[in-house]
Amino acid sequence: AQTVTQSQPEMSVQEAETVTLSCTYDTSESDYYLFWYKQPPSRQMILVIRQEAYKQQNATENRFSVNFQKAAKSFSLKISDSQLGDAAMYFCAYSRPLSGYSTLTFGKGTMLLVSP
Amino acid sequence: NAGVTQTPKFRVLKTGQSMTLLCAQDMNHEYMYWYRQDPGMGLRLIHYSVGEGTTAKGEVPDGYNVSRLKKQNFLLGLESAAPSQTSVYFCASSRGRQPSTDTQYFGPGTRLTVL
Repeated sequence: AQTVTQSQPEMSVQEAETVTLSCTYDTSESDYYLFWYKQPPSRQMILVIRQEAYKQQNATENRFSVNFQKAAKSFSLKISDSQLGDAAMYFCAYSRPLSGYSTLTFGKGTMLLVSP
Repeated sequence: NAGVTQTPKFRVLKTGQSMTLLCAQDMNHEYMYWYRQDPGMGLRLIHYSVGEGTTAKGEVPDGYNVSRLKKQNFLLGLESAAPSQTSVYFCASSRGRQPSTDTQYFGPGTRLTVL
């Protein structure tokens, strides 16, 4: 079974600074997808960024970028120019398309605190 | 566009009571999912549906039943609630099963407490 590990229960960053959230995963598959989801206090899960395992290039979405190291099974999220609105719980997730459905396996999350 | 909505937002039950959580999506998505989120844990899949009239078990299905009579609705039932089912429940939907393109969209969650 696939597992996703987020070793940082909580991280802090000041506004305008850069922070990196860590994620490692375990899988024997070669074709899979990795995601970072954001869960603000409103509880609504929002997709931040997606990475396809067969792509060498790291995904980027505005201030959010990933460092995908396939051999090391590492998938970290870098948030640049942090804003107060970035404060949330961040979940790393893994997915692999199966014959009937595509399921998400989540890590336990990292709480990001942003201070002025 | 409402996206994915969940009813109710909060509920308190006594052990042994039953209830149904309703999930509705207006995006014409084929796939729908029910997850639970416990403190210090990521979301875990309870049941899912790949289309109207179909349901299947996920990672933690025991104690729950589901139905998908209409494409836009996915119901999660607890026949005899237990304190271990105290959790936040999330519904999600996606157009298809391809993680490359078919993003799962989540509802705002239902906080359920079983006393």
